Amino acid sequence: AQSVTQLDSQVPVFEEAPVELRCNYSSSVSVYLFWYVQYPNQGLQLLLKYLSGSTLVKGINGFEAEFNKSQTSFHLRKPSVHISDTAEYFCAVSKASGTYKYIFGTGTRLKVLA
Amino acid sequence: SQTIHQWPATLVQPVGSPLSLECTVEGTSNPNLYWYRQAAGRGLQLLFYSVGIGQISSEVPQNLSASRPQDRQFILSSKKLLLSDSGFYLCAWGWGRNPVWAMNTEAFFGQGTRLTVV
Repeated sequence: AQSVTQLDSQVPVFEEAPVELRCNYSSSVSVYLFWYVQYPNQGLQLLLKYLSGSTLVKGINGFEAEFNKSQTSFHLRKPSVHISDTAEYFCAVSKASGTYKYIFGTGTRLKVLA
Repeated sequence: SQTIHQWPATLVQPVGSPLSLECTVEGTSNPNLYWYRQAAGRGLQLLFYSVGIGQISSEVPQNLSASRPQDRQFILSSKKLLLSDSGFYLCAWGWGRNPVWAMNTEAFFGQGTRLTVV
């Protein structure tokens, strides 16, 4: 079975500072990895995904993530955050073969301070 | 283009009452469908998923059930709600396992239903 751990429940950061949101996964088979963003009382929107190939993936809103197979990590980064990035961020994993089933972490609440 | 509709947006129900939440997808056929529940501090918990009409897999034994009476319709139900059923319920769809669509491998979410059991 797959599992996802998001180590930080809350991350405060000042506007225009860089941020990294951490995600570690566990799986005995190949996986796809995702980061989603959720604004209050809304659904989830895909930020980026890793399927295969280049380990550095770029997404929307200036976010990027790096897949590290040896460390089983998929950390999300942004070099300069804006107030509008304040939201909850979820890391998710699914098996690369078989039935798609998306397993999510507990989320990290990013709060950007002025 | 594909769209997902989920309703109602908010719902307040008394303990012991029944529940029916509906989700429909437009613009695609034979999608995988999912129900998730989000409780404060607990992330998204996968409740049910379906790969076809009448095919439901339950991930967490609980007071809820799901049905898929039509290809693009997914319903979450309960006969008697408990206080612990309160939460934010999210429906999602995915393309399913098709190598032709290998680039479209993510799940697409509805706007959610905020359920409060009182």
